[in-house]
Amino acid sequence: DIQMTQSPSSLSASVGDRVTITCQASQVISKSLNWYQQKPGKAPKLLIYDASNLETGVPSRFSGSGSGTDFTLTINSLQPEDIATYYCQQYDNLPLTITFGGGTKVEIE
Amino acid sequence: QLQLQESGSGLVKPSQTLSLTCTVSGDSIGSGTYSWSWIRQPPGKGLEWIGDIYHSGSTYYNPSLKSRVNTSIDRSKNQFSLKLNSVTAADTAVYYCAGARHGYNQRRNYYYAMDVWGQGITVTVSS
Repeated sequence: DIQMTQSPSSLSASVGDRVTITCQASQVISKSLNWYQQKPGKAPKLLIYDASNLETGVPSRFSGSGSGTDFTLTINSLQPEDIATYYCQQYDNLPLTITFGGGTKVEIE
Repeated sequence: QLQLQESGSGLVKPSQTLSLTCTVSGDSIGSGTYSWSWIRQPPGKGLEWIGDIYHSGSTYYNPSLKSRVNTSIDRSKNQFSLKLNSVTAADTAVYYCAGARHGYNQRRNYYYAMDVWGQGITVTVSS
């Protein structure tokens, strides 16, 4: 089974800071990786699909990069509304298996 | 606009079966555009994939839950359902249903992304 390791598990940053979250897969997954944002008490929301594609309606300060085993979610100029927990998710279709990373909680200093 | 809504019992006794339904509106559950998913989140913890069901009825489950899970589709009601048997306190969680767009692109690469979610339903396992 593919394991997804996110780091850090939590971080605190100031408004306007650049924030970087990493996700590492236990084996090569090409670009089969999505990122989700979950605000407290809410369902997750898709931010980035296939490692680097911005979902429609998501602010352009969010970006994703990486392929193979190492991936990054970047928030340029952190905003108060970005306070949330962020999850990476890998998928494999032979057969379909889905694995989420452990999550990264982002707080404002 | 596709919308999902979970329903079912919020309290289940240990050893019994948890049953949830997700009602789909805004698209036909049999259109093939989406894979229909169940995900759960124990209190204070991260997300765990439970399983998916395709419009064809093909099912895919988390290996750690496979022996206890069953999902089904009811096209007449535009719903899909989850049953998890022999529940324990460890199954206490918020359960989400989701629709994942999926398929093959022009390069024949598979794509999958959960782009529509229900609001979630809290299920507590307790006697």
